[in-house]
Amino acid sequence: GENVEQHPSTLSVQEGDSAVIKCTYSDSASNYFPWYKQELGKRPQLIIDIRSNVGEKKDQRIAVTLNKTAKHFSLHITETQPEDSAVYFCAASGSVLRNQFYFGTGTSLTVIP
Amino acid sequence: DAGVTQSPTHLIKTRGQQVTLRCSPISGHKSVSWYQQVLGQGPQFIFQYYEKEERGRGNFPDRFSARQFPNYSSELNVNALLLGDSALYLCASSLFLGTMGSGNTIYFGEGSWLTVV
Repeated sequence: GENVEQHPSTLSVQEGDSAVIKCTYSDSASNYFPWYKQELGKRPQLIIDIRSNVGEKKDQRIAVTLNKTAKHFSLHITETQPEDSAVYFCAASGSVLRNQFYFGTGTSLTVIP
Repeated sequence: DAGVTQSPTHLIKTRGQQVTLRCSPISGHKSVSWYQQVLGQGPQFIFQYYEKEERGRGNFPDRFSARQFPNYSSELNVNALLLGDSALYLCASSLFLGTMGSGNTIYFGEGSWLTVV
């Protein structure tokens, strides 16, 4: 099955700086890559996603890039704010027959005011 | 519109007992998936149901079972509970199977926190 690896496991940045989280996947059939933000004690919430026919997608301060050849995708957060502090998970899904998602192990982001 | 709703939100069970968790998907969504999230880890896929049929099963023992009802709500059952079953159980709904448009985007409920003592 698919294997998703995520780095780093923890990340601290100064407010206003950028944060980058990287994920790799193993199954070349995977074609949908969402990112979720999970605050302490809360559910994971979708923040951005990208499909394999697109190399980059941006939504205000958040962007995701995908390199299909290298099988890796990254989350970029610019102008970080304290409310960006949370655990971020990447995920991969590929089968057209079912919706099984494989998640990374998470990155705990702390934005220092 | 209401999001994905799950019940109960918190529960404590004793080893060996059985538990049933419930989920109502977003209105109009026909696919429901269940995930287990152990503290400090990412969610792990347990089951997916679509149109009341099981469409996917993760690497979990037979003690775990689920079903989907005609109104697309779902139940997850876990028998013979072990301490290691303590986790946040997340239900996710999506419009339908596959990768057509945004149909396979999944949205999580708030989860059911299960503690086994």
